[in-house]
Amino acid sequence: KQEVTQIPAALSVPEGENLVLNCSFTDSAIYNLQWFRQDPGKGLTSLLLIQSSQREQTSGRLNASLDKSSGRSTLYIAASQPGDSATYLCAGLNYGGSQGNLIFGKGTKLSVKP
Amino acid sequence: EPEVTQTPSHQVTQMGQEVILRCVPISNHLYFYWYRQILGQKVEFLVSFYNNEISEKSEIFDDQFSVERPDGSNFTLKIRSTKLEDSAMYFCASSVFRTPAQPQHFGDGTRLSIL
Repeated sequence: KQEVTQIPAALSVPEGENLVLNCSFTDSAIYNLQWFRQDPGKGLTSLLLIQSSQREQTSGRLNASLDKSSGRSTLYIAASQPGDSATYLCAGLNYGGSQGNLIFGKGTKLSVKP
Repeated sequence: EPEVTQTPSHQVTQMGQEVILRCVPISNHLYFYWYRQILGQKVEFLVSFYNNEISEKSEIFDDQFSVERPDGSNFTLKIRSTKLEDSAMYFCASSVFRTPAQPQHFGDGTRLSIL
């Protein structure tokens, strides 16, 4: 059964710092990995999706990588800003039955201090 | 940009009552999902739906739960007899195709509070 773990649970950094959020998964037979942002009391905003055949994806200041062999994904945020403060979730897509469902980690709560 | 819309944003219900959570997926999407997040816990998959039938469901999705696409735009989750432990944020999601290349897009959720 797929398990997704995110470390650290919380992270506080000063504005402008580059940072890395970690995600690990137990079953390397994932089809893709999706990173989300969740603001307090809000829904999930999809940030990046990496297919199993890819190693990384970039969007603006965000870069996500995927290493299936080691069961790890990272989300790199460059030049962090206070507006980046949120909880970041990673989720792996496993194909179970006829259609896949996302298996989520518990998230990393990021706080960027001005 | 098209969005997944969920109503209501907050629902308060007495234990034992039936509740229906509503979702309007993105219009050209074909696959629909419900997830839930109990306060402080992980987001958990409940059910996926395609072509007017359930494709996959988790252990959480027992006989108290049902889903329906009553018309061409709405996708609903019904809980027949709510329990205290059903209190959670419920998220609807949709995707264009089922291939791994397509992301799932989530709504803002319905916070369900059972008293």
